[in-house]
Amino acid sequence: NAGVTQTPKFRVLKTGQSMTLLCAQDMNHEYMYWYRQDPGMGLRLIHYSVGEGTTAKGEVPDGYNVSRLKKQNFLLGLESAAPSQTSVYFCASSYEGQVSYNEQFFGPGTRLTVL
Amino acid sequence: AQSVTQLDSQVPVFEEAPVELRCNYSSSVSVYLFWYVQYPNQGLQLLLKYLSGSTLVKGINGFEAEFNKSQTSFHLRKPSVHISDTAEYFCAVSAVQGGSEKLVFGKGTKLTVNP
Repeated sequence: NAGVTQTPKFRVLKTGQSMTLLCAQDMNHEYMYWYRQDPGMGLRLIHYSVGEGTTAKGEVPDGYNVSRLKKQNFLLGLESAAPSQTSVYFCASSYEGQVSYNEQFFGPGTRLTVL
Repeated sequence: AQSVTQLDSQVPVFEEAPVELRCNYSSSVSVYLFWYVQYPNQGLQLLLKYLSGSTLVKGINGFEAEFNKSQTSFHLRKPSVHISDTAEYFCAVSAVQGGSEKLVFGKGTKLTVNP
């Protein structure tokens, strides 16, 4: 079991470039999440998915798009990167959405720098 | 809306000393509370959680936390820390947003254990 994996681990972009971050889980989890972590800000939810083919906005969705075409994959896209999107991005998954009884398992993160 | 406040951004301690990481929550309803740990260059890992019942919750790696409703606190403690406990610790609360239950994280406390 690889758990939750993220690709790539590091990336440097120029302002205006686009990219896609890939998250994959092999635990047959229904729910998947994308967070960003900034110094002194903790983790903030960008988008999440409650199942294949469904996505929803989190706390800070602007500038990002997501897709969940397959149950095991959750993609985060930046169409036109901005320096404010420099951050560490974490993907997480859980069996169901009730956080009290369903632990979220986190990937190792992607460190993105936008110049 | 539910939120958590971590009162210390950094906590330095010496090895084998006791440590307390403070977390206060705000909520007008019953809460579920969590502590996560993030080791350097890794994703988050669940340490422990409080759902109901006994107010003293024991987690992994010798950590424990006490839920105090009157003081709206959920402080994390360890009687004797090791170098390997150096990490960032996040307090989180469950919150219903957009009809779904989410995790809302505090800003984190960096624990540094010195020899």
